[in-house]
Amino acid sequence: EPEVTQTPSHQVTQMGQEVILRCVPISNHLYFYWYRQILGQKVEFLVSFYNNEISEKSEIFDDQFSVERPDGSNFTLKIRSTKLEDSAMYFCASSELGGSGANVLTFGAGSRLTVL
Amino acid sequence: GQNIDQPTEMTATEGAIVQINCTYQTSGFNGLFWYQQHAGEAPTFLSYNVLDGLEEKGRFSSFLSRSKGYSYLLLKELQMKDSASYLCAVMDSNYQLIWGAGTKLIIKP
Repeated sequence: EPEVTQTPSHQVTQMGQEVILRCVPISNHLYFYWYRQILGQKVEFLVSFYNNEISEKSEIFDDQFSVERPDGSNFTLKIRSTKLEDSAMYFCASSELGGSGANVLTFGAGSRLTVL
Repeated sequence: GQNIDQPTEMTATEGAIVQINCTYQTSGFNGLFWYQQHAGEAPTFLSYNVLDGLEEKGRFSSFLSRSKGYSYLLLKELQMKDSASYLCAVMDSNYQLIWGAGTKLIIKP
């Protein structure tokens, strides 16, 4: 079964450092997403990406964050100057459909970010 | 504001039936999803409802009433592996998924 792949599975970084989280979405999917989940809390939407540009972003997704699709397969989330409160599990997801029909998201296994 | 409410935690017995409720208030509605999330893992898709009524898929069923802003997930013949969090998510008028905080289901032998 096709899957979304995320690397690294766990990253520990010092406050103020830059982090890049990588994702390989399912190959025939056109819509890509980043979510985060702080331990014990709800899943929070960060950003959606379609046709090589951001389609939606949440209030959380400020200038500290950026996304990129550097090639035909990777989808990256960059966090500049990390803060303690950025510690969370970051999930990448992709879907075949966007705003119509059963937009079923397939999630990657997540990247756990710990900021010290 | 947009809001999705689910019970924080439920406990049930192996082999029994459990119903997890979800109520929502969102700006528009384009479908309701249930996802299962085991601790430390990614959410996995369980069901999707966009019309009123019951959708059955094996041991799991999901019900929707749009007029009441209400859904439930019904799990039958509970197994220990069903111990997980169950997340209700609604797609709003902007086709964004709004997530509930999840219901942690504990299955006891």
